[in-house]
Formats: sequence, structure tokens, C-alpha cells
Amino acid sequence: AQSVTQLGSHVSVSEGALVLLRCNYSSSVPPYLFWYVQYPNQGLQLLLKYTSAATLVKGINGFEAEFKKSETSFHLTKPSAHMSDAAEYFCAVSDRGYGGSQGNLIFGKGTKLSVKP
Amino acid sequence: DGGITQSPKYLFRKEGQNVTLSCEQNLNHDAMYWYRQDPGQGLRLIYYSQIVNDFQKGDIAEGYSVSREKKESFPLTVTSAQKNPTAFYLCASSITGGKITGELFFGEGSRLTVL
Repeated sequence: AQSVTQLGSHVSVSEGALVLLRCNYSSSVPPYLFWYVQYPNQGLQLLLKYTSAATLVKGINGFEAEFKKSETSFHLTKPSAHMSDAAEYFCAVSDRGYGGSQGNLIFGKGTKLSVKP
Repeated sequence: DGGITQSPKYLFRKEGQNVTLSCEQNLNHDAMYWYRQDPGQGLRLIYYSQIVNDFQKGDIAEGYSVSREKKESFPLTVTSAQKNPTAFYLCASSITGGKITGELFFGEGSRLTVL
């Protein structure tokens, strides 16, 4: 069965500092991997996705993530945090629909990012 | 603009009452989903539908019901059998039912509070 673990339910950084949000996954088949962002009382918005092309994926708002198969990780980074980055971030994994699989997303529990001035 | 519309955004319910949350999409997506979000719990799948007139239970379907009579619409009913219904509910859709890329598009959510 697939699963996602996000290390750290809360992360706090200073404005201009590096953002690193950790995500490890478990999957028996090559996965699709996603990062979503959620602002308070809103839905989720896709930041970026890995679908077996380049292992370094660039997304919106200056975020990027690197797929590392040997470490089963898909950590999200941004070189310089901005106040507007304060939100909750969710990592998600899905299988590729092999056999009878539905390919539904499995979400991590989320990491709340705070940005200090 | 294309997107997913959820209504109402805020809803209050007395114990023992059923309530229906609306979800409409004009993205021409085949698949639609309902998730429940609780603080620190991430998103948990309630029901999903890959095609009109068909739907499947997710991980926490007990106390909920859905219908998919039209491609654009996927309403969720929270019944009195749901013991702890206070939560934030998110509707989502995807192009191919998640079998290729799994990318989901989300609505703005509906916050249900049981008084």
C-alpha cells in the first residue's frame, strides 16, 4: 500500500531563508508525486508534480522538488522564503493505474510553514 | 472561467439533521472526489466517482452518501449517522479519473459545523 510521511507538522523560517519541507513516500510501483499548497479556508492548489520525466521538478512561486528514488524522498525547497509563502503544504503520491488500481491520491498530513519577518 | 464551485462555504447544522454540500465543475472532467480535512489529519477520501452514474466508497464513507447523475455535479450528503461531522470538506476533479497523472483540481471548500 502507498503512504506518505511529511516530517514536521510545523516549520518556521525567516524571510529570505531557505525553505525545506520533507516528504518520504512508500510505493510498490513507480509513483507519481505531488506538492500542493493550501491557504487558510481555501482549497488546495498544485505547486508541482513528478511524473517520471526530469527528477528535479520546478513549480510555481519559485518552488522546486527533487525525486530521489534511492531515498524514497520528494522534498520541497525554495531558496528564499517570502511572507506570502506562509501556508500549509501537502505532499501526495499516486500509483499509475496498473492493473485494477484507481490511481487515487494519498495525502500526507501536511506541514504548516510560518515565515518570520 | 473554468473551475469547481462548492456551496455553501459555511454551514451550520443541528445534531440529527442531514445536510447536502454542493459541488459543480465546468472543467469537463470525468472524475470527481470528496475529501474531508481535519486539523493535523491531512485529507481523507470519502467518495469518488470515475464516471456518471457510478461512484465508489473511499476510506471514510460511513455516514455519507453521494450521487452522480450529471457529469458536472457531485453532491455530498452528510447524514445523521456521521458521528463527528464538523470538518472542512473539499471537492475535487480530475481529467482521466487519476489513472494517468492523478492531478486534482480543488474547490474552495465547505466548512460544516454541528451545533
